[in-house]
Amino acid sequence: DQQVKQNSPSLSVQEGRISILNCDYTNSMFDYFLWYKKYPAEGPTFLISISSIKDKNEDGRFTVFLNKSAKHLSLHIVPSQPGDSAVYFCAAKNNNAGNMLTFGGGTRLMVKP
Amino acid sequence: DTAVSQTPKYLVTQMGNDKSIKCEQNLGHDTMYWYKQDSKKFLKIMFSYNNKELIINETVPNRFSPKSPDKAHLNLHINSLELGDSAVYFCASSRGVLSSGNTIYFGEGSWLTVV
Repeated sequence: DQQVKQNSPSLSVQEGRISILNCDYTNSMFDYFLWYKKYPAEGPTFLISISSIKDKNEDGRFTVFLNKSAKHLSLHIVPSQPGDSAVYFCAAKNNNAGNMLTFGGGTRLMVKP
Repeated sequence: DTAVSQTPKYLVTQMGNDKSIKCEQNLGHDTMYWYKQDSKKFLKIMFSYNNKELIINETVPNRFSPKSPDKAHLNLHINSLELGDSAVYFCASSRGVLSSGNTIYFGEGSWLTVV
C-alpha cells in the first residue's frame, strides 16, 4: 500500500522552461514533506521541504506547493537546466513515526538543451 | 570530508552468507537510518536508531540487524543472505526531530548482489 505516489515515472522538459513534478499522498498524519534529487550511483540529496502548516516554500529556482485538502504536493523548477536532469523523490514524515520517511517511487526528469 | 560514508560500495556474495555494511557519519547527528532501494527503485525505511530508541520497520526480516558501537556509526548485519536481498542499501543520518529546514542526509549507497 503506497502512501506516497509519484504517478509520472518520467518527465521531459526543454531547457529554460518550467518543470513540474507531482506527488500525492494518502496518510493524513504526514506533517512534513521533502523533495530529494538523485543522480545515478549517488545517494539522494535534499532539495527543499515544506511543513504541513504552509502551502508554499521557495528556494531559488525551486518552489514546493502543498495542497492539504487534495493531499497533493508539487515541485516547480524554473527555469529548468540540463544539470537538473536526475530522479526526483518526494518523501513524507509521519507525525507518529519518529523521523522515518516514506518515499514515492521517483520521477526521472530529463532537461533537454 | 564525506558527511555520511558507507562501505563497501559494491558487494557480491553468495546465498547463505553473512555480511555487514558499515556506516559512519561525521555530522554530529543523533539519529541514523538504513534505507533499502529495491529493484523497482522504491526507497524504503528499514531502521531508525538513536541512542535511546530503535524503530524497526515491521516488514524487515529479522535476518537484518543494525548495530551501533557509538553515535557516529550504524552498521547493518545481514545473516543467511537470500537472492531477494539484492538491492542498494543507503545509510542516512539526521539531528533532532525533522521539521522545517531540517533533513536527512544520505550516504552514497552500497550495492549488494546476492548470487
